Amino acid sequence: DGGITQSPKYLFRKEGQNVTLSCEQNLNHDAMYWYRQDPGQGLRLIYYSQIVNDFQKGDIAEGYSVSREKKESFPLTVTSAQKNPTAFYLCASTTGDLSGANVLTFGAGSRLTVL
Amino acid sequence: AQSVTQLDSQVPVFEEAPVELRCNYSSSVSVYLFWYVQYPNQGLQLLLKYLSGSTLVKGINGFEAEFNKSQTSFHLRKPSVHISDTAEYFCAVSDRTNAGKSTFGDGTTLTVKP
Repeated sequence: DGGITQSPKYLFRKEGQNVTLSCEQNLNHDAMYWYRQDPGQGLRLIYYSQIVNDFQKGDIAEGYSVSREKKESFPLTVTSAQKNPTAFYLCASTTGDLSGANVLTFGAGSRLTVL
Repeated sequence: AQSVTQLDSQVPVFEEAPVELRCNYSSSVSVYLFWYVQYPNQGLQLLLKYLSGSTLVKGINGFEAEFNKSQTSFHLRKPSVHISDTAEYFCAVSDRTNAGKSTFGDGTTLTVKP
């Protein structure tokens, strides 16, 4: 079955460490997104990529980095510069349609806790 | 710029009662509207969407929503809820000016009590 796989599901990190969250999709989608979810704040866009080897900052990109070397993969690195990284991270993908009429498919999420 | 306001952060309701989750949006152009559901510690999944045509949209699990352009609303309804409907619900909007990106509301937690 096609879908999005995020790993790890749970991750603990010490302050000052970088961590990388994996996101892999087999839906042949062109566009991929990373969202951060905090209680009561909905989803906030971190980075997005509409094509391989290209990505754009979202609303809260500071302290994060991404790469898009393959169509199927869009890893997110949470760097030590991110002041409050404890959150639930969601990866999503969709077709490359830029009209806005596209449904997002989400992974099951990765919960990062900074100790 | 587009924005979404979900008017209720929490909605408690008894099993088999009707429920309405309210969503208002703002956008300067024609919009596409979505409702997603999130069960605990999971990703979001699509409940229903409005792209064009009939303003009454039916989705999965017996949910429906009505697009009201004059009131810029897209409220979600279900005539009789079940315990299994307990989840967080997100309204989202997108339009052609924002390169296909969706803007999400803050979410409404629906709790169905026996």
